[in-house]
Parts: sequence; structure tokens; C-alpha cells
Amino acid sequence: DIQMTQSPFSLSASVGDRVTITCRASQSVSRYLNWYQQKPGKAPKLLIYSASSLQIGVPSRFSGSGSGTDFTLTIDSLQPEDFATYYCQQTYSTPLNTFGQGTNLEIK
Amino acid sequence: EVQLVESGGGLVQPGRSLRLSCAGSGFTFEDYAMHWVRQTPGKGLQWVSSINWNGGEIAYADSVKGRFTISRDNAKNSLYLQMNSLRAEDTAFYYCTKDVRTYNYGRFEYWGQGTLVTVSS
Repeated sequence: DIQMTQSPFSLSASVGDRVTITCRASQSVSRYLNWYQQKPGKAPKLLIYSASSLQIGVPSRFSGSGSGTDFTLTIDSLQPEDFATYYCQQTYSTPLNTFGQGTNLEIK
Repeated sequence: EVQLVESGGGLVQPGRSLRLSCAGSGFTFEDYAMHWVRQTPGKGLQWVSSINWNGGEIAYADSVKGRFTISRDNAKNSLYLQMNSLRAEDTAFYYCTKDVRTYNYGRFEYWGQGTLVTVSS
């Protein structure tokens, strides 16, 4: 199975900050990489697909980049509603797709 | 508006069975592959099973293969997960998710609110 490793595990930031979350795959997944946001008590929400394509309705302050084994999710100018847990997911080996362990973004 | 509503979760003893259901609305159900994904505090998100638009292509995670059965009834806009021989490690929130294609593309575009399955004696 392809392993997905996110860093950092937890991150503290302030409203208005720019933050970057990293996701590394144990082998190349090309650009078959999605990002999800999950708020407490809610289901995950698709933010970015194919490494850098913004899902409809997602604010443009969210962006994704990368290919192969290294990917990043960047949030420009953090808003209060952005504090959540973020997961990456590889779909290169679909149906055996796998998620990262999550990055908890907290308010500083 | 796309809606996915799971039901059927609950407390069950190890070795027993449970059947989850997911009712879809706001989209043409038969046009999309569907999936079950589960989440535990310790292991995060884990894909469980997938079914293509007509049930002709099905896949399972190794951890549930031989114990769980996914199915769908397009006439009823419903997805199911029959879970047999349940184990403590199956305890999780189970989410029904909608794909973006008729086949298993792996992009979970919409999620239900989840149903909690607790396996304990």
C-alpha cells in the first residue's frame, strides 16, 4: 500500500497568516492527490483535487501544488472558519486509495 | 442540493452483523460510483469499499474483505454495507461518499454525516 505522511501533525497560526501543510507519498502518485478539510463533528469536505484544482465553491485562498511524492496545501490569509483538520488522499492506486494521518490547524 | 443520509449504525457485539444504509438525493444516483469510508480516532480515515454505477465493479479494503458486502439499489437511490463477523477494530464512524464518475475514480466529492458503529461486548 502507498503510505501518505503529513507534516506537521499539528499547527498553530493566527487569523491572516499564510500556512503550508505538506504531504509525502511513499512512492510516486503522479498528481493523483486530493485534499480534504474536516471540522469537529462534521464529515470531511473536498477542497482540492488532482493536486492543484480547486473544488467548486472553495475559496481561492486555498491552493495546492506538487507532483510525484511531494505535495503542499497552502492557505493564504487564514480566516476563522479555516481552523480544522486537513487530510491528503492519494488515488493513484484506486481503489486502494489512502489518506494521510491529518494535520490539525489550531488558532494561536 | 446533494444529500447523503446514512443509517443503521449502533452498538453490536463482536461476531454479530449490522447493515448500514445510505439514501442519496439531489443527484442522479445511478450515474455515480459510491463508497464507504470509515474514521476512527486512532487510525484516521480509511477507505472501506467501493461500487461502480451498476454494481458490476466492487472493491474492498483487505481489512474487511470476506466480511463486508457492498451493494446498491438504483431504483431506491440507496447504498448498503452488510457487515458480518464484526470485530472491535471495526468500531468507527462510517461515511457514505459519492464519486465524480460512474466508475471508482476515488474522488470523494460529497459525504454523508456518518453513522457510528460500536463493536463491544
